[in-house]
Amino acid sequence: EPEVTQTPSHQVTQMGQEVILRCVPISNHLYFYWYRQILGQKVEFLVSFYNNEISEKSEIFDDQFSVERPDGSNFTLKIRSTKLEDSAMYFCASSDGRGVAEAFFGQGTRLTVV
Amino acid sequence: RKEVEQDPGPFNVPEGATVAFNCTYSNSASQSFFWYRQDCRKEPKLLMSVYSSGNEDGRFTAQLNRASQYISLLIRDSKLSDSATYLCVVSWYSSASKIIFGSGTRLSIRP
Repeated sequence: EPEVTQTPSHQVTQMGQEVILRCVPISNHLYFYWYRQILGQKVEFLVSFYNNEISEKSEIFDDQFSVERPDGSNFTLKIRSTKLEDSAMYFCASSDGRGVAEAFFGQGTRLTVV
Repeated sequence: RKEVEQDPGPFNVPEGATVAFNCTYSNSASQSFFWYRQDCRKEPKLLMSVYSSGNEDGRFTAQLNRASQYISLLIRDSKLSDSATYLCVVSWYSSASKIIFGSGTRLSIRP
């Protein structure tokens, strides 16, 4: 069964450092998403990406965040200067965008900012 | 008003019981509706899509009420393995550019 894969599974970084979270979406999917979930809280939408550009973003997704699809398979989330409050589980998801357009999620990257 | 709202629970029910959750959404232009399940510290996984006519998948039944802007999930003959957080998910546009999660309802099934 095709799946979304994320690397690394856990990343520890110092406050102020840049991090790049990587995702390989399902190959024939057209929409890509990043979500985050702070421990004990809800899954929050960050950004969606379609046709090589951001199609929607939330207020969380400020100038510190960026996304990129550098090649035909990877989809990355970059946090330029991490803050303690960026510590969360980051989920990548993809969808084929047709019909009911359910999204399939990767296993997540746990980001810990110290 | 929150975009997608759920009772956080927890619902603590005995094995074999029937349990139901509701979820309300604020945007009447919402197009697609889903129930996801999330186990502790795991990724959300699609449980079922919710169709206007209602749909059933084994012990699970989902309903959509567009007039009142809510969806529901019914679990019959609950199993220990049903213990999880159930997430109501709404897609704003048919092009799926934005998918919003509710905060989830925790369900705990006791033996």
